[in-house]
Amino acid sequence: SYVLTQPPSVSVAPGQTARITCGGNNIGSKSVHWYQQKPGQAPVLVVYDDSDRPSGIPERFSGSNSGNTATLTISRVEAGDEADYYCQVWDSSSDHPGVFGGGTKLTVL
Amino acid sequence: QVQLVQSGAEVKKPGASVKVSCKASGYTFTSYDINWVRQATGQGLEWMGWMNPNSGNTGYAQKFQGRVTMTRNTSISTAYMELSSLRSEDTAVYYCARALWLHAFDIWGQGTMVTVSS
Repeated sequence: SYVLTQPPSVSVAPGQTARITCGGNNIGSKSVHWYQQKPGQAPVLVVYDDSDRPSGIPERFSGSNSGNTATLTISRVEAGDEADYYCQVWDSSSDHPGVFGGGTKLTVL
Repeated sequence: QVQLVQSGAEVKKPGASVKVSCKASGYTFTSYDINWVRQATGQGLEWMGWMNPNSGNTGYAQKFQGRVTMTRNTSISTAYMELSSLRSEDTAVYYCARALWLHAFDIWGQGTMVTVSS
């Protein structure tokens, strides 16, 4: 089945830019979605279809996807952005179409 | 508002079955697939399967084939996930999630803690 690889952790100072990567074989040909999960809470969709934002998600959250890497970018990071972030794709050709990355813990220093 | 509300926490013995419900409100239940995702304590998200509430069609991750059954009752806008032959490794929070047409999960239930312990 398809594999998504994320770094376990990313650290950034407040006001700086955080970039969280999601690697997969030719992931640029797939739609990538990103979720934010804070402790004890359900995940929240923050970016879908590579770079679109659901209503209510700040413009500080953006995404890109090309080649073998998709990236979630969080600009002007705030303390409240500290959370786990997961990428996800749907691999229609697989018998296991729903795939999540392993997650990245974003720490705001 | 659009929401999914799940049933409460469960404690089960090894070998038993558990059935978790997920009640939809604020939208047309039959218009969006429901997916189930679980998360063991301190671990990542694990996709389990999907169900089309309109047709009842389902698709399960191979890991759960033969142990999981996803059903629905359209008259009460509720989806169900039943997992059988429970073992300690099935201890986790189970989430239902609504899927957009791109299979992005835009609405999540609050989660149901299932504990498997003798």
